[in-house]
Amino acid sequence: AQKVTQAQTEISVVEKEDVTLDCVYETRDTTYYLFWYKQPPSGELVFLIRRNSFDEQNEISGRYSWNFQKSTSSFNFTITASQVVDSAVYFCALSEPSTDSWGKLQFGAGTQVVVTP
Amino acid sequence: GAVVSQHPSWVICKSGTSVKIECRSLDFQATTMFWYRQFPKQSLMLMATSNEGSKATYEQGVEKDKFLINHASLTLSTLTVTSAHPEDSSFYICSARASRTDTQYFGPGTRLTVL
Repeated sequence: AQKVTQAQTEISVVEKEDVTLDCVYETRDTTYYLFWYKQPPSGELVFLIRRNSFDEQNEISGRYSWNFQKSTSSFNFTITASQVVDSAVYFCALSEPSTDSWGKLQFGAGTQVVVTP
Repeated sequence: GAVVSQHPSWVICKSGTSVKIECRSLDFQATTMFWYRQFPKQSLMLMATSNEGSKATYEQGVEKDKFLINHASLTLSTLTVTSAHPEDSSFYICSARASRTDTQYFGPGTRLTVL
């Protein structure tokens, strides 16, 4: 069963627009981690954020912000004032600390963000 | 920050040959490394979990006899694709979990093309 759902396959925006990427997850654990990664065309995964299940504070880092809501099992990601360099595939991922899977990341399908000048 | 390298970064081989991919944690020790596979336009799928000094744990549907994993030291894990076929062509990515901090770091990936 899909544990991490990224319903948006592709989002196209014009530079300086904001873009929000949705991520909905499913877990029975009370302790878990959520992640966002960026994968530019080069293929290398770039770590953006890790959030544990007990920390529901929203976070802002430069033009990036994250909205974590346990009530809706969502961990959405917003890029403010998008730039062409933001064009990439963005993955949301879940890590559940059950005995045999601690550290394994379950990735969503990814959302392709295309920012045009 | 911590660095994970993979070698080679890309490889082209003939069908039926075996290919070895190395994953190294350059400045930290990793008791656990993970191997993922990513087909074009798809997400990353975990293949196996590699623990130093013990047998790898494979995900359902991954043939352990075809994808041999060895984690002989705290800084090196290898994935050998045996008797590779065109359907094994993919982007293989490893990650290493730092023993001290429990943080996971990804390698740059290896693109395998089997002709």
